[in-house]
Amino acid sequence: QKEVEQDPGPLSVPEGAIVSLNCTYSNSAFQYFMWYRQYSRKGPELLMYTYSSGNKEDGRFTAQVDKSSKYISLFIRDSQPSDSATYLCAMWEGGFQKLVFGTGTRLLVSP
Amino acid sequence: NAGVTQTPKFRILKIGQSMTLQCAQDMNHNYMYWYRQDPGMGLKLIYYSVGAGITDKGEVPNGYNVSRSTTEDFPLRLELAAPSQTSVYFCASSTRLAGGYEQFFGPGTRLTVL
Repeated sequence: QKEVEQDPGPLSVPEGAIVSLNCTYSNSAFQYFMWYRQYSRKGPELLMYTYSSGNKEDGRFTAQVDKSSKYISLFIRDSQPSDSATYLCAMWEGGFQKLVFGTGTRLLVSP
Repeated sequence: NAGVTQTPKFRILKIGQSMTLQCAQDMNHNYMYWYRQDPGMGLKLIYYSVGAGITDKGEVPNGYNVSRSTTEDFPLRLELAAPSQTSVYFCASSTRLAGGYEQFFGPGTRLTVL
């Protein structure tokens, strides 16, 4: 079993839709949870991060962590064509700075 | 700040050839990393460094070597290239955030081994 599981997609939605992206994980020691966005032929860039369980909102983006279920989500409201990218979840136990990445979900938002 | 820079952007190698992928950062970060990204496989850590002169293996180090003589530079060496090393290679550096830390990625090097 992989430490972090993520559906590769692609996930196709029309502009304006609410998007839900998800990851599950098996390592209960993970404390920090991050979402990276990667445009085609570019390096990943940090979108949001959260510590432990709960929600965090930033504009149209909401990150949610449920440690009891080992499940994290990223919600995108009012999705735009410019949101079309691959979204990777990443997790960290704390201590030494080594992230474990999901495989990424490719999102396509059509006008 | 240029951030994390990588050269070359693209390269085609023949089986058995060697090359060095260059990585530099101008943010004075101590931690640096090399990843490879294969389709549908996510990012796999090859090597990392916690500071000049200190390196260690990640998940998939076989066929690669690194060195870290300065804070800024972290080159990745491929010896005896094999088709299995065809991939996109990303270098990253990291800094501490409140409640976590952020890895900054370079633009990547697309390597094909034929």
